[in-house]
Amino acid sequence: SQTIHQWPATLVQPVGSPLSLECTVEGTSNPNLYWYRQAAGRGLQLLFYSVGIGQISSEVPQNLSASRPQDRQFILSSKKLLLSDSGFYLCAWTGQVETQYFGPGTRLLVL
Amino acid sequence: AQTVTQSQPEMSVQEAETVTLSCTYDTSESDYYLFWYKQPPSRQMILVIRQEAYKQQNATENRFSVNFQKAAKSFSLKISDSQLGDAAMYFCAYTNFGNEKLTFGTGTRLTIIP
Repeated sequence: SQTIHQWPATLVQPVGSPLSLECTVEGTSNPNLYWYRQAAGRGLQLLFYSVGIGQISSEVPQNLSASRPQDRQFILSSKKLLLSDSGFYLCAWTGQVETQYFGPGTRLLVL
Repeated sequence: AQTVTQSQPEMSVQEAETVTLSCTYDTSESDYYLFWYKQPPSRQMILVIRQEAYKQQNATENRFSVNFQKAAKSFSLKISDSQLGDAAMYFCAYTNFGNEKLTFGTGTRLTIIP
């Protein structure tokens, strides 16, 4: 069966520090991968998606970037965090019938 | 562009009763998929149920069922025999056939009253 992992689960970072969040999927090959952000009490905002290694589409221009160095690995990065980057970050992959399955998420607090 | 509307920010239901969450969407496509996701306090998004637009039969998963009205572009979720563990945010979502992206509604917070 397929499994999606995200780490770290929680992260507290100072403003201006770098960021690296990792997402990996097991049990499938060549999945579409997605990064979402959710502010407290709000809906999901799609940040990036990838249909293959090295192929990244950005939905929202900001100081975040994404990379896909391996088929089942998706990384969200920033060189300098802003206060507004605080939120809950969810990774997802697409399974059968266009269905997205989500990871457990990472809580990021920028102070 | 497709839009998904959830007009009920909050709903509550007595334990063991039935509740219906509403969702409407707007699209000019004929082939698409609709989903309900549950987000409990842990905040992980969990797939509840999926409906393919070409299927006339409403999807059912145990206590969860949908009322899919394609002409009216309506996709409501019915939860029967509500349980305390059903308390969560519920998001309705849409995607076109062959599309890589989901469009989410703003969510409905469901409270279960013991």
